[in-house]
Order: sequence, then C-alpha cells, then structure tokens
Amino acid sequence: DAGVTQSPTHLIKTRGQHVTLRCSPISGHKSVSWYQQVLGQGPQFIFQYYEKEERGRGNFPDRFSARQFPNYSSELNVNALLLGDSALYLCASSVTGAYGYTFGSGTRLTVV
Amino acid sequence: GESVGLHLPTLSVQEGDNSIINCAYSNSASDYFIWYKQESGKGPQFIIDIRSNMDKRQGQRVTVLLNKTVKHLSLQIAATQPGDSAVYFCADTSGGSYIPTFGRGTSLIVHP
Repeated sequence: DAGVTQSPTHLIKTRGQHVTLRCSPISGHKSVSWYQQVLGQGPQFIFQYYEKEERGRGNFPDRFSARQFPNYSSELNVNALLLGDSALYLCASSVTGAYGYTFGSGTRLTVV
Repeated sequence: GESVGLHLPTLSVQEGDNSIINCAYSNSASDYFIWYKQESGKGPQFIIDIRSNMDKRQGQRVTVLLNKTVKHLSLQIAATQPGDSAVYFCADTSGGSYIPTFGRGTSLIVHP
C-alpha cells in the first residue's frame, strides 16, 4: 500500500511569492493534518481537516490556508512568503484524525 | 496548547546498550502520549503510544513509562542498534483535542 505522498519534495521560492503544497493520504484515511518543522525543532501544528471540514487550526498567520478535496487529498497554501517560512512541511493522515497518524516525508521549502 | 519538552537534546550510546530518552510535559490534562522516530529526510514514524490510564506499555525492544505524578514520560530502547540513530519526539494530546503537540526532540546517536 502507498503511504502518505507529498509533492513536491523540494521547492525554492522567492520572498513575496505564493506556494501550494500537496498531500495524498493513505487510502481509507479521511483526515489530513499539516505541520511545519523548522530545522532543529519539533513539528508545529498548522491545520487539520476531516471530511473536507477544518477541524483545527494552529497559531499561524492568515497567509497560511488549506483545503481538503472530495478524494481526501489536501493542499496547503502560503501567500506572501517570508524567509522564516523556510521549513519542512509535513502532512499526516489518519482514519478519523483522532489516532494513528501516518506522516509523509514532507516538502522542503526554501525561501530566498 | 501546553508545551511538551525534552531533558536532553543529544544522547550518545554504544551499540548494544539500553537507551533511555526522557520527556516532561506540563499539561495535567494530557491524556494520550506518543513517541515518534524521525530519520534524516523522512517524516516522523510512530513507535509506541500510551494512554494516561496506564503506567507502562511494551513493544518490540521499546518500553514507554508514564509517571503522571511528576508529568514525566520515558522511552526505553533495549539493545540499541545503529539503525536506531534518529531524532525521537514525544507528543501529547489533551482535552478532547486529538491533535498531537510535539516537543523539541532528542537526537540519539548509536556508535558501533
């Protein structure tokens, strides 16, 4: 079975630009969560979606947005990129969002 | 959410030794705890979990101990192998929120 897939794996953007990151959950998983992991730190929660509805939002500015599609895949969008947005962005899927998170390998975003 | 922190940023052990990674949490309402392993270039991987109504749980070569009195969690790895080298995170959830909050992480280095 395929795990959680994220695309692209690496990305370089310029300050002020916009970026879209994509995540495909494990088949049968209806919940997707997004985390930001800055080098040397633990993942920080950004969003959780379940059945296309936002279930939770972390302490991130409105430049960050996300959505979940009918096939349960998800996109994370970041507008007006800042240098500090450089990080590994992780997507995790689970059946209900309660337990059993499986993480993808992440998208490494570098803002220059 | 409340912070979940780790005592040591780096732990170096010899192959074959037993490793103990510690974690302190501050939220007395935390009711579910998870240990993750993150290898370089990969997302966090579930190792073992424990609910707050338990003191100990064992898996294959790993044991998690929970001391609710002092809000302390530990991960014990028996007969540590070079493949165990990674960053280990504890995470917790609380109060009906099933979204894991991660600590900073401990880097485990296993010397052959």
